[in-house]
Amino acid sequence: AQSVAQPEDQVNVAEGNPLTVKCTYSVSGNPYLFWYVQYPNRGLQFLLKYITGDNLVKGSYGFEAEFNKSQTSFHLKKPSALVSDSALYFCAAVSGGYNKLIFGAGTRLAVHP
Amino acid sequence: ETGVTQTPRHLVMGMTNKKSLKCEQHLGHNAMYWYKQSAKKPLELMFVYSLEERVENNSVPSRFSPECPNSSHLFLHLHTLQPEDSALYLCASSQDQGVNNEQFFGPGTRLTVL
Repeated sequence: AQSVAQPEDQVNVAEGNPLTVKCTYSVSGNPYLFWYVQYPNRGLQFLLKYITGDNLVKGSYGFEAEFNKSQTSFHLKKPSALVSDSALYFCAAVSGGYNKLIFGAGTRLAVHP
Repeated sequence: ETGVTQTPRHLVMGMTNKKSLKCEQHLGHNAMYWYKQSAKKPLELMFVYSLEERVENNSVPSRFSPECPNSSHLFLHLHTLQPEDSALYLCASSQDQGVNNEQFFGPGTRLTVL
């Protein structure tokens, strides 16, 4: 079965420190991977995606993600966290021959001043 | 959030009511989606429309009935819902069904079934 796992329900980090939100995937064929962020009372916003090419993908708001095929991971990173980064983060993978996203359960990021 | 809009933002309904959720996208996209977001569960894809044709029905109960009259509008008609249907219902759109196209989400409708 195809799936996306986010092993941490919550990640806590101090403002100014680097952050990592973990994601692993299990899909057949070439993986197409996405990160989305959800702020309170809002829909999901696209951050970045990996389709092919360079394993380090840069996205919005200073976020980046590293694709690691051998570890089937796609961890989200940011060198210096901001309090405004506090939100719910979702990793997703495309399943099948069309744009059918499988989402992880989400990781709540809390950045403390 | 002017790209994808959803109305109403909040809805409370009884189990015998009939209501509809509306989604409109202003991005010129050809594919639209309905998702259900429940507490502590991953987002669940419900329906996919491409060029106004339904291409995916993810084993959704018949008390949920989607409608896509044109590529800019998507409805979810609700009738005889159950309390466990209470959730945030999210609409999304993408350029087309290509696997490399990110989806753009609306703010959602928070549904409470009494």
